[in-house]
Parts: sequence; C-alpha cells; structure tokens
Amino acid sequence: QSALTQPASVSGSPGQSITISCTGTSSDVGGYNYVSWYQQYPGKAPKLMIYEVSNRPSGVSNRFSGSKSGNTASLTISGLQAEDEADYYCNSYTKSSTWVFGGGTKLTVL
Amino acid sequence: QLQLQESGPGLVKPSETLSLTCTVSGGSISSNSYYWGWIRQPPGKGLEWIGSIYYTGSRNHNPSLKSRVTTSVDTSKNQFSLKLSSVTAAETAVYYCARLFWGNSGSGAFDMWGQGTMVTVSS
Repeated sequence: QSALTQPASVSGSPGQSITISCTGTSSDVGGYNYVSWYQQYPGKAPKLMIYEVSNRPSGVSNRFSGSKSGNTASLTISGLQAEDEADYYCNSYTKSSTWVFGGGTKLTVL
Repeated sequence: QLQLQESGPGLVKPSETLSLTCTVSGGSISSNSYYWGWIRQPPGKGLEWIGSIYYTGSRNHNPSLKSRVTTSVDTSKNQFSLKLSSVTAAETAVYYCARLFWGNSGSGAFDMWGQGTMVTVSS
C-alpha cells in the first residue's frame, strides 16, 4: 500500500494559521471518515490530535481542526505557537482493512 | 491510566527474526473496543503501520510485510507480540505499540502509544 501524500514541510509565523494536506485515494481517505492526525516531537511517541476527520480528543487545543474534501484531508492549526513546531502525520483506514500513514510534515514556526 | 511498554532485544542480526512484546497496564487487553497495533519509524523517516490484532486473535497486517509478520496476543499476561522474520538493515527503526480504538464503532485512531523501542538490525 502506498503512503498518503503530505507536504514535506510547512512554516508559519506565530499567530498565523497553517494547513497541512493529506492526499490519498477513494480506497482510503476518500472512502472513509477514519482519518486521524498525530503530532510528534523529536524522540517522542506520536500523540493523537484529531480523529474521525474533525474530532478533537479531550485535552487537545481547539486551535487544531480537521476537515476532508474528496480524497484529501487537512489539518489546520490556527493562532500558531512556538510549541506547535513538530512533525505531523495523517492516517487513514483503507478498503483492505488496513491502516496507512502519510509521509509526515515538518512544521516550522518562524 | 493505561500504559503500554515495549520490550525486546535492541539488536538483531540480518536474516534473523525480530521479536517484541508490548505489555498493557492499567487496563484490560480483552476490551471489546480496542485493537492493539504495531507501528515503526526508521531514523529520520515517517511512521509505518505494521499490523493490528484483537484480543480474540483476529488480525491484519501491512501487505508489504504480510508474509514475514506474525502477531499474537496473550490475554493472561495482558500482552501482545510482534515477530518479523528475515529482517534487513533497512528495518532498523523505533518500534511502537499502540492502542487502536476500533471495536464497537470506534474512532479508528491510535489513541495511546508506548514510548517506543529502538531496534537495530546489524551483524
């Protein structure tokens, strides 16, 4: 199975908003609402930030939001803060009853 | 508070079998709501899903690894395990175990993760 496509890097200034895209196919992202997003700091385990496309787990800032259109899911971070600088990964369920991650996006806060 | 902890050899020789165990504490591995998964991350690279298993033994594996991957669950010890045969140096990675909220209309997200264990494949 092929990894979902994410931009390698995005950047933004404090206070700005950024969006990270995650492109798959109708067999994964486009076919199911089981898209999740993870934040990972260097040397740390990933942390769930968004599940089922747009839902936030308890404790995750409402500055993080998710959406989906067709075969592309998106993670938006508003009011960018220095602590948001991390790697972000999307994940989707697939029609083969498997799971696939995106290649990851490095977010730099300028 | 649920915790997951990976354990196993940190060094495996090429062509041999990598074996890891994940111990779940603070909750039961036999929950109807959760599957249990393995994910790996080579140094400087992205995450790759390896496989997931239910407490009944129902499992799914990454098709690219399917023939070399074995997963199992031991409900008496609240543990689940991974075996990956015929490993190569390219499979040097941090291996994570994680909880997947999937049963009973779950969210399909990996909501709890172990800290990860580094496995180096080298002679």
